[in-house]
Amino acid sequence: AQRVTQPEKLLSVFKGAPVELKCNYSYSGSPELFWYVQYSRQRLQLLLRHISRESIKGFTADLNKGETSFHLKKPFAQEEDSAMYYCALSSGNQFYFGTGTSLTVIP
Amino acid sequence: GAGVSQSPSNKVTEKGKDVELRCDPISGHTALYWYRQSLGQGLEFLIYFQGNSAPDKSGLPSDRFSAERTGGSVSTLTIQRTQQEDSAVYLCASSLGGGAGNTEAFFGQGTRLTVV
Repeated sequence: AQRVTQPEKLLSVFKGAPVELKCNYSYSGSPELFWYVQYSRQRLQLLLRHISRESIKGFTADLNKGETSFHLKKPFAQEEDSAMYYCALSSGNQFYFGTGTSLTVIP
Repeated sequence: GAGVSQSPSNKVTEKGKDVELRCDPISGHTALYWYRQSLGQGLEFLIYFQGNSAPDKSGLPSDRFSAERTGGSVSTLTIQRTQQEDSAVYLCASSLGGGAGNTEAFFGQGTRLTVV
């Protein structure tokens, strides 16, 4: 079975502080992993995917197959990063989402 | 249109009534997904279509929920005899479904359903 776990429902950090949103997965294969973000009153959108190895809005995420993790990190949080973040795993054409982490960046 | 379109944006219905929610995916996308987003519950998978068939209906919470997709395009999610616990935002997403590298899911703006 494919599972995506985001252990933190809520996360608050101060502006300028580092932030890490945790994601663990279970999958018997080579997963494709994604982070999606939903800003207030906007639709859910792709933030980044592991195969692109890119940094978007200062965020990065490294796939750690040994720990089956795909944590999202940013060294210096900004107020505009406040949003709901979902980790997702793609298996073939099916998507499995975590329950999400609501990030609040305190000014 | 350029993105996934859902209608209506908002729906208020009386308990016990049936509702239909519509999703227009991005043209050419063969995979279509329905999710439910409730406060504090995150994103709950409902059903997945590949073309017109639904290989995975495992997320439908009860037999009051059904979905269909015609012509490999538009999909309708129907909730019969609505209950207050059905109140949520219903999200639709589509993807190319072409395999590795083509699996980004694009989301609609959602339908906010309120059962009173």
